[in-house]
Amino acid sequence: DAKTTQPNSMESNEEEPVHLPCNHSTISGTDYIHWYRQLPSQGPEYVIHGLTSNVNNRMASLAIAEDRKSSTLILHRATLRDAAVYYCIPGTYKYIFGTGTRLKVLA
Amino acid sequence: NAGVTQTPKFQVLKTGQSMTLQCAQDMNHEYMSWYRQDPGMGLRLIHYSVGAGITDQGEVPNGYNVSRSTTEDFPLRLLSAAPSQTSVYFCASRPFTGGRMNTEAFFGQGTRLTVV
Repeated sequence: DAKTTQPNSMESNEEEPVHLPCNHSTISGTDYIHWYRQLPSQGPEYVIHGLTSNVNNRMASLAIAEDRKSSTLILHRATLRDAAVYYCIPGTYKYIFGTGTRLKVLA
Repeated sequence: NAGVTQTPKFQVLKTGQSMTLQCAQDMNHEYMSWYRQDPGMGLRLIHYSVGAGITDQGEVPNGYNVSRSTTEDFPLRLLSAAPSQTSVYFCASRPFTGGRMNTEAFFGQGTRLTVV
């Protein structure tokens, strides 16, 4: 399973874009890159996933480096409800969570 | 559509007691898994299953048993509870599309377990 490195914490002002980085240099060619977030006292919630190409959905965008050794989750306009721990999870069969990035959104 | 349902939501056990945490999903997902989350930590995989009758160990399987007799249910059994098993337990399910991890997983709301 690929190892990930994410910042322990990040801060953003409300209504501003947020770029959450993740390094996964040991990723294999078949590993998808998933992002989940966990709001306080809740189970993890799916955000987005991709394999090679950049992906967009209603919640966020995922930018994947050409060599796939890193990716960036982009929240286009952070809101207070986006304050959570964000997990980057590369893998083929199993979700192995790291410690994630705690995002704080300032009003 | 209830999604993933975990029961109970809270439980206090005495050291040495056994119990079963229940997990049920109504989405006909083949893949189900159990995680534990200790305070301030990420989730750690305990056991997982890719279909009825098939289970495998995750990162931290010791002290836990699982079985998968139906697609819908994936109970987690604590054989002899220890204080080190105090944690929040999450169950998750997703479609198992030929093994590829290219589908969204759905998580339950968790069971908060305290062992005294």
